[in-house]
Amino acid sequence: GNSVTQMEGPVTLSEEAFLTINCTYTATGYPSLFWYVQYPGEGLQLLLKATKADDKGSNKGFEATYRKETTSFHLEKGSVQVSDSAVYFCALRPQGAQKLVFGQGTRLTINP
Amino acid sequence: ETGVTQTPRHLVMGMTNKKSLKCEQHLGHNAMYWYKQSAKKPLELMFVYSLEERVENNSVPSRFSPECPNSSHLFLHLHTLQPEDSALYLCASSQDWGQDYEKLFFGSGTQLSVL
Repeated sequence: GNSVTQMEGPVTLSEEAFLTINCTYTATGYPSLFWYVQYPGEGLQLLLKATKADDKGSNKGFEATYRKETTSFHLEKGSVQVSDSAVYFCALRPQGAQKLVFGQGTRLTINP
Repeated sequence: ETGVTQTPRHLVMGMTNKKSLKCEQHLGHNAMYWYKQSAKKPLELMFVYSLEERVENNSVPSRFSPECPNSSHLFLHLHTLQPEDSALYLCASSQDWGQDYEKLFFGSGTQLSVL
């Protein structure tokens, strides 16, 4: 079946640190891949996406590259800010399907 | 503000109570969704409505009963819940079911506690 596995949180970093949140997936065919972010007290919002192998999605300084060979879509940011504190969800949309499959979320806290 | 409003923000209920969660969107979207967010578990899709018709029901227990009276409103009626139903319930909408589906607009959720 289709599934998404994220690194276990919570993750705590200092401001300006380098961030990686790991995400791996299981899916048949060629899924589309997404990262969503949930800021405190808010709903999820789309952060970035990639629809085919080797695509790089980017937004707000975050990047993730669709790696088919390792079935991964790790989220990275070179220098995090306190305002990046949130829960991050990795998700996939199976090829030809209409549903999104989410991971369990990774809580990120950035300390000043 | 994403345009999707959920009420109440917090709800505490006993196992014998009946309550309803409300979701409202004025984005002109045709599809609306209920998700359940539990700690350390993947976000679970519960129900999908497209043009006021239910198109997805992901093996959700009958103690959860959705209602979509029009394209702007979605309800989740709750009765005889269990403590394991305690979670954040998120409503979302999108322009259409299946197209640009990833462009979901989420509400802030209702934090439900079942005692």
